[in-house]
Amino acid sequence: GAGVSQSPSNKVTEKGKDVELRCDPISGHTALYWYRQSLGQGLEFLIYFQGNSAPDKSGLPSDRFSAERTGGSVSTLTIQRTQQEDSAVYLCASSPNLSGSSGANVLTFGAGSRLTVL
Amino acid sequence: TQLLEQSPQFLSIQEGENLTVYCNSSSVFSSLQWYRQEPGEGPVLLVTVVTGGEVKKLKRLTFQFGDARKDSSLHITAAQPGDTGLYLCAGVRNAGGTSYGKLTFGQGTILTVHP
Repeated sequence: GAGVSQSPSNKVTEKGKDVELRCDPISGHTALYWYRQSLGQGLEFLIYFQGNSAPDKSGLPSDRFSAERTGGSVSTLTIQRTQQEDSAVYLCASSPNLSGSSGANVLTFGAGSRLTVL
Repeated sequence: TQLLEQSPQFLSIQEGENLTVYCNSSSVFSSLQWYRQEPGEGPVLLVTVVTGGEVKKLKRLTFQFGDARKDSSLHITAAQPGDTGLYLCAGVRNAGGTSYGKLTFGQGTILTVHP
């Protein structure tokens, strides 16, 4: 598609349940990022993929959070045993260039997946 | 630790007024970006400033990068209701000569321009 597509746009779940959030990046973009936006913390980096590898996953808050990317395209962010503090908007972004090039920091964001944990 | 301090957090002004949003840090960034985000949407990149002292203009918006590459400002002239939104600054650091989109964001400025 023309932009970064994320699903679901809204997810309400109960504490303790697992959730999966999906990101479909712009076709041909090799780099993919997950960020989290919450009222108290602003926008925080979670993880970076280059192709199917994740050279930087330093922002994942705990081992309940994991992400994978397959075929150099779609990525899934999984949160296990959700907690109320996981409530946030999870934003995915992609960029067209390999690490080190001038375009590596030009990110296109999706509209996000709003997660509410009751 | 919030590495990028953005101010003010809220700004409510009348159409036609001028405004400035500031983004400050004690750390040096290789470049700094400004985004605008509307409700229900992701942030949209407005500009990237790379060189210390650099000034970029985008219609009524003027962006400046501090000489020491630790701070930046966004100035809007003659604000219009269509400028309403969340404005975010984001810093980029190069690690070991490599660069990727690991951004450090400020807390954002919610701008409301009243007709």
